[in-house]
Amino acid sequence: AQSVAQPEDQVNVAEGNPLTVKCTYSVSGNPYLFWYVQYPNRGLQFLLKYITGDNLVKGSYGFEAEFNKSQTSFHLKKPSALVSDSALYFCAVRGYNFNKFYFGSGTKLNVKP
Amino acid sequence: GAVVSQHPSRVICKSGTSVKIECRSLDFQATTMFWYRQFPKQSLMLMATSNEGSKATYEQGVEKDKFLINHASLTLSTLTVTSAHPEDSSFYICSAGSGGTHTDTQYFGPGTRLTVL
Repeated sequence: AQSVAQPEDQVNVAEGNPLTVKCTYSVSGNPYLFWYVQYPNRGLQFLLKYITGDNLVKGSYGFEAEFNKSQTSFHLKKPSALVSDSALYFCAVRGYNFNKFYFGSGTKLNVKP
Repeated sequence: GAVVSQHPSRVICKSGTSVKIECRSLDFQATTMFWYRQFPKQSLMLMATSNEGSKATYEQGVEKDKFLINHASLTLSTLTVTSAHPEDSSFYICSAGSGGTHTDTQYFGPGTRLTVL
């Protein structure tokens, strides 16, 4: 069975500090992992994905994520947070049945000035 | 990235009426589109997979007669909420991908806020 866990409902960070939003996954076979961001009353915007290759994936708006196979994790990171990064972040895995995305519960990121 | 649009962005209707939501891929063709429902402060719940030229595949617990899906062309899928009731009020989001493979990025529409009075 495929699943994604985001253990933190909310992450608070000061502007300019590094941020991490955690994600762990469970999947049969090779994982295809994605991060999306959602602003209020909007759809999801694609940030980045891991398919294969380098474990460190760079994406939009200065975000990156590190794939760790041994820890089955795919944490989202950014070296210096901006207030405008405040939003809801979703981790997702595409499973063996490639037509389906399995989403985590979401993590609300609050970046304070 | 690819652009997916939804129309309308917001709709308010009376109980018992039907509401149609359109999802369009603007700059690519999508043989498959997905419909999700999102409750406040919750994650996305996959409702169904919309397949161009064939019947949609519904997730367990989703009433196919309640949520009618039509994928008439490679750029358009519609979701019709029939005989809507207040409990159908939600945020409905569609997604589509251009590659058709399991590594394909899904691009999401901006969502439709449905309020049933």
